[in-house]
Amino acid sequence: QSVLTQPPSVSAAPGQKVTISCSGSSSNIGKNHVSWYQQLPGTAPRLLIYDNDKRPSGIPDRFSGSKSGTSATLGITGLQTGDEADYYCGTWDSSVSAALVFGGGTKLTVL
Amino acid sequence: QLQLQESGPGLVKPSQTLSLTCLVSGGSISNGAYYWNWIRQHPGKGLEWIGYIYYDGSTYYNPSLKSRLTISVDTSKNQFSLSLSSVTAADTAVYFCARLRSYASGSYPFDHWGQGTLVTVSS
Repeated sequence: QSVLTQPPSVSAAPGQKVTISCSGSSSNIGKNHVSWYQQLPGTAPRLLIYDNDKRPSGIPDRFSGSKSGTSATLGITGLQTGDEADYYCGTWDSSVSAALVFGGGTKLTVL
Repeated sequence: QLQLQESGPGLVKPSQTLSLTCLVSGGSISNGAYYWNWIRQHPGKGLEWIGYIYYDGSTYYNPSLKSRLTISVDTSKNQFSLSLSSVTAADTAVYFCARLRSYASGSYPFDHWGQGTLVTVSS
């Protein structure tokens, strides 16, 4: 069981918008900033969003992030077939067993 | 452009020690803004953070792996290494090295990753 909870899968048609949720607690998302990663099949993860809502250079503005309380959301607009991937949220968990933690991942299918 | 490259045996026998090295190029491992990490991904599963090292040798490990884990750094070679002892089949995974930037705001993104290397634990 992952410390952060994501839906196992989401799907949408090309051109549409999709959101992926990441639910945590007061010791992780509630206290620290969230990052989001995209992992295309057979490749290493790539940073999409950091500091809840900031995009590294080179990441299109079709990708957005937000955080409220103990949950975070990744949004992707103008879906493309190339967006089919696994998406992970991550943050620091400040509990007794402090560690960097990830969500279980969400498989995005672009129908 | 910063690059990280993992290297090491792809097959390790049960009860032995798994050893991997991550060579950093295009940037200095001694840059104090960053921490150097190991992350693994079991086949078909999600990501698990293993631990990190700072250029001065200070470390922080995932409590679930701490008893078997050593991460070291060689700044002269611009590389850092992972050693995981007493491995079992449950340690079979793709192992990634990654750079983490720590912000005072409480943000800890992994902004560069190696391509990953599959390590299989089997006799």
